[in-house]
Order: sequence, then C-alpha cells, then structure tokens
Amino acid sequence: EAGVAQSPRYKIIEKRQSVAFWCNPISGHATLYWYQQILGQGPKLLIQFQNNGVVDDSQLPKDRFSAERLKGVDSTLKIQPAKLEDSAVYLCASSLRPGGFYNEQFFGPGTRLTVL
Amino acid sequence: GNSVTQMEGPVTLSEEAFLTINCTYTATGYPSLFWYVQYPGEGLQLLLKATKADDKGSNKGFEATYRKETTSFHLEKGSVQVSDSAVYFCALSGASNTGNQFYFGTGTSLTVIP
Repeated sequence: EAGVAQSPRYKIIEKRQSVAFWCNPISGHATLYWYQQILGQGPKLLIQFQNNGVVDDSQLPKDRFSAERLKGVDSTLKIQPAKLEDSAVYLCASSLRPGGFYNEQFFGPGTRLTVL
Repeated sequence: GNSVTQMEGPVTLSEEAFLTINCTYTATGYPSLFWYVQYPGEGLQLLLKATKADDKGSNKGFEATYRKETTSFHLEKGSVQVSDSAVYFCALSGASNTGNQFYFGTGTSLTVIP
C-alpha cells in the first residue's frame, strides 16, 4: 500500500515570497490533515479536511496561509507571503475517517521549509 | 481542553538499558492514546495505540498502558537498541469543538549508545 506522498521535500525561499506544498493521501482516506512542526516542538494542526470540506482551520493563519482539497483527494497548502517564523516542517497526514479507533493517522515524510 | 505533556529530553541510554518516557494527558470524554516515533530524516510512524482504559498497546518491544486513574500513557521498553534512537511523540485523539482532533506532546529525543 502506497503511503502519504508529499512534495517538495525541501524548500528554501526568502521572506515575502510565496510557496506551495502538495500532498497525496493514502487511497480511500477521507480525512486529510496539515501540520506545522517547528524544530523542537510537536506537530501543530493547521487544517483538517473531511473529503473536500474543511472541518477545522482554527489554527491556520488565514492572512497568509491557505489550503484546498479539490475533488477530495490531493491537497495543496500555500503560504503567501512567507515570514521567517514560518520555517518549519510541514507534515501531511491522512486517516480513514475521523474519530475513535479509526483515527490512526498516517504521515508523509514532510516538507522542510527554510525562510531566509 | 485537551493536551498532552511528556517528559523533556534528550534522553541518552546505553544499549540494553530500560526505557521509560512519561506521558500524561488532559482530556474531555474518552480519548484514544498513541505513541508515534520519528526516525532521523523520516516522517512520523505509529508505534502503538490504546483506545480505552487499561488497554495495553505494544509493538517492537515497546509497551504502554492506558491508565485512566492517573491519566497516563507511559512508554516502556525493557532493553533498548541503537536502532531505537529517534524522537518519540505521545498523542491523543479527543473531542474538540469541531469534532475529534489530534493533540501531540512536544516529543522526547532518545539516543542509544553502544
């Protein structure tokens, strides 16, 4: 079974530039998550999709971050414009469905973003 | 609200030593509890899980028991190996205002030396 795919693996940009990350979840997984993991911290949920609808984006900085999941499969996360404090690893995860026993999440390898 | 607190690292052990990484949680309702592991340069992988009180999750020699009375889910291994060097995250899946959500601890870095 193929895992969660993410690209690119690494990205270096200057502040005020824009950047986009892509995620392809495990086939059949209805729920998709984007996390931000700052060095030395645990992952922080940015946004959660159920199929192509947003379930939770309460911690997404909406003035600069946006995400979409067209057709309920692939997802993209965009930052525009980037700030120095956005330097982090951006993790995508998917699960069969939210809640309870089935909420085991499968993670992609992440995209390491460095903002100079 | 929901939160997870785990012991700070880094932890350095000799091969074959006993490992304990403490994790306590605060949650409304009845959360599921997880340990994830992140090997250098890789994404998070599920190590073990428990979905109700007194359940014991186990995998690759690691164990953790869901203790409702002490709100804990400590990770243990009787004899660590160099290959266990990684960052370990305790997490819970619990109810939030928008449905179930995952909450991660800050992670504990483990280095096992030969």
